Amino acid sequence: DARVTQTPRHKVTEMGQEVTMRCQPILGHNTVFWYRQTMMQGLELLAYFRNRAPLDDSGMPKDRFSAEMPDATLATLKIQPSEPRDSAVYFCASGLWGGEKTEAFFGQGTRLTVV
Amino acid sequence: AQKITQTQPGMFVQEKEAVTLDCTYDTSDPSYGLFWYKQPSSGEMIFLIYQGSYDQQNATEGRYSLNFQKARKSANLVISASQLGDSAMYFCAMRVGGYSTLTFGKGTMLLVSP
Repeated sequence: DARVTQTPRHKVTEMGQEVTMRCQPILGHNTVFWYRQTMMQGLELLAYFRNRAPLDDSGMPKDRFSAEMPDATLATLKIQPSEPRDSAVYFCASGLWGGEKTEAFFGQGTRLTVV
Repeated sequence: AQKITQTQPGMFVQEKEAVTLDCTYDTSDPSYGLFWYKQPSSGEMIFLIYQGSYDQQNATEGRYSLNFQKARKSANLVISASQLGDSAMYFCAMRVGGYSTLTFGKGTMLLVSP
């Protein structure tokens, strides 16, 4: 079964440290999303790539967050410096948009705790 | 702007009964798609079913079916023969057009009792 792979699954870090989350999308998918999930805000879109080009990162705090797709097999989300309010579950999803088929699958998430 | 509304914060159902989870959407674009995801207590987001706006028939996947009523802008998820393992949070989501992101509802918590 093809699946979206996220690493690490859990991360505990101290405030001020850099955090890097990685995602391997499903081969052949043309769309990658990063979402953040908290109890208060639900699922929030952070970044959106189509064919590796960033299309929307308006939901991302630009001063500390950055998202990239260095190649088709890797998407990264970095937080520098991290803050306690960044504690959340971060999901990567990859999708196939348009054409004959539409699908979108999520990775298992990275549970981030900033202390 | 696109909007997804799930009005049921929680639903209870007995094992083996059918349950309907509501989802209404708002968009003026004629091309859109609707997704349902299940999030069990383990936290992963599991894709269940997809319905495109131009699909002629309601989508079905095993025990899951989507009651798509375009004129009413609703895309309710029907789970037949509920199982204990169906207890989870369920999210409805929408994508609009060819270049849009997924917009999520706030979710419905389903509890299945023996």
